[in-house]
Formats: sequence, structure tokens, C-alpha cells
Amino acid sequence: GAGVSQSPSNKVTEKGKDVELRCDPISGHTALYWYRQSLGQGLEFLIYFQGNSAPDKSGLPSDRFSAERTGGSVSTLTIQRTQQEDSAVYLCASSLSTASGNTIYFGEGSWLTVV
Amino acid sequence: GDSVTQMEGPVTLSEEAFLTINCTYTATGYPSLFWYVQYPGEGLQLLLKATKADDKGSNKGFEATYRKETTSFHLEKGSVQVSDSAVYFCALSDHLGGYQKVTFGIGTKLQVIP
Repeated sequence: GAGVSQSPSNKVTEKGKDVELRCDPISGHTALYWYRQSLGQGLEFLIYFQGNSAPDKSGLPSDRFSAERTGGSVSTLTIQRTQQEDSAVYLCASSLSTASGNTIYFGEGSWLTVV
Repeated sequence: GDSVTQMEGPVTLSEEAFLTINCTYTATGYPSLFWYVQYPGEGLQLLLKATKADDKGSNKGFEATYRKETTSFHLEKGSVQVSDSAVYFCALSDHLGGYQKVTFGIGTKLQVIP
């Protein structure tokens, strides 16, 4: 596609429910990133994919968070048993390759509110 | 590990004032440096970047120079406009373990008043 596409753009969910956030990267981009942006905070790295594999999962905040990528394209971030502190904007980004200096392109984000 | 430190906002300036947003970094490798901008209600967009020491990135009147000796990448603009009101993120990209890891600063909110 022309840009990184994320869905849903907004999600309100009840505490304890599971949510899935979807990211469709720019066509041909092999690298995919998930970040979280909480109110008043910077961007918190969650996970990185190169193709379908995730060499760096160090940023996932707990075992309630998981992510997968299939076909080297679409990625899904799943949050199980959501908590109020999970409320944030979840940003997906992609880049052409793993070479340092490659620009990463962001989607508009998925705004998650846990009530 | 890698880290980026940038001045906390908010920064409030009058239109046509000079802007500086400081950014310093620590990195284990030889990083590339970026400034991203987030306008209200929008996603992050690349503003400018520099990939090696002494490179100057520039775009839309904004400039930043990669200073390896001071590990800095300060953002400057000679004359800001109301439309520049946004949050600005400094970031570094390091090649670690065979892949690119991007680390962001906390973001600096800029408000330009007429």
C-alpha cells in the first residue's frame, strides 16, 4: 500500500478483554516495528520483525502481550486480559530493510482505551 | 544500551522566533540520527535525518547537524510559524545484532503563538 495502515484506529474495551491490533506495512518493507505511546510519554519500543521472525521482543511489557507476522506482511499485536495501564496509542512502523539509516515510516496508530 | 535525551517541553515561542530543541544521545555503535514530527491528531513523520558525523539534515527550514564529538543532534529553525506547532521526536538508529533498532526521545512539544 501507499503507507502503513493500522486498524482499528480507535478501540474502547473493557478491562479483562482481549484485543487485537492490526498493521499492514508498506509493500516491500521487510522490517516492521511496534511502539507504544502513552499520554505524556515518549515512544516505547515493543517488538521488531524481520520478515516473519521477531529477533527482538525485549520491549513487550508482559506475557499478556504477543505479536505475530505472517507472509512477511501483515502483523497483529494481541493484548490479553487488558488492564487500564494498557491504554495508549499503539504505533506500527516499517522500513525497507535492516540497514542502519533506513527511514522508518509510521502508521496513524491505534488508540486503545481500557475502561 | 542506546538512549536519546531531549529537552522537555512544552516550548512556547512567538511566530518568527528562533527555535532550538536540544538532543543528545548515547549509542554502542555508529548510529544514524533522525528528527520526527507529530502534528496534532496525526502519526509521526520523518522531518530530517543524518547518517554520518558532520552531516547536516534539513527540511522545511529545519536543520540539524550530526556532532559526534558532543553526541548531539540539535534541531534549529530560524523563524518558526504557527503551523510548526507539533511534537518533535529525536531518534537514533543503530545496527545491532544484524538489524536496525530505533530509539526515540521523549518528545518536545512546540507551541507557536501568533
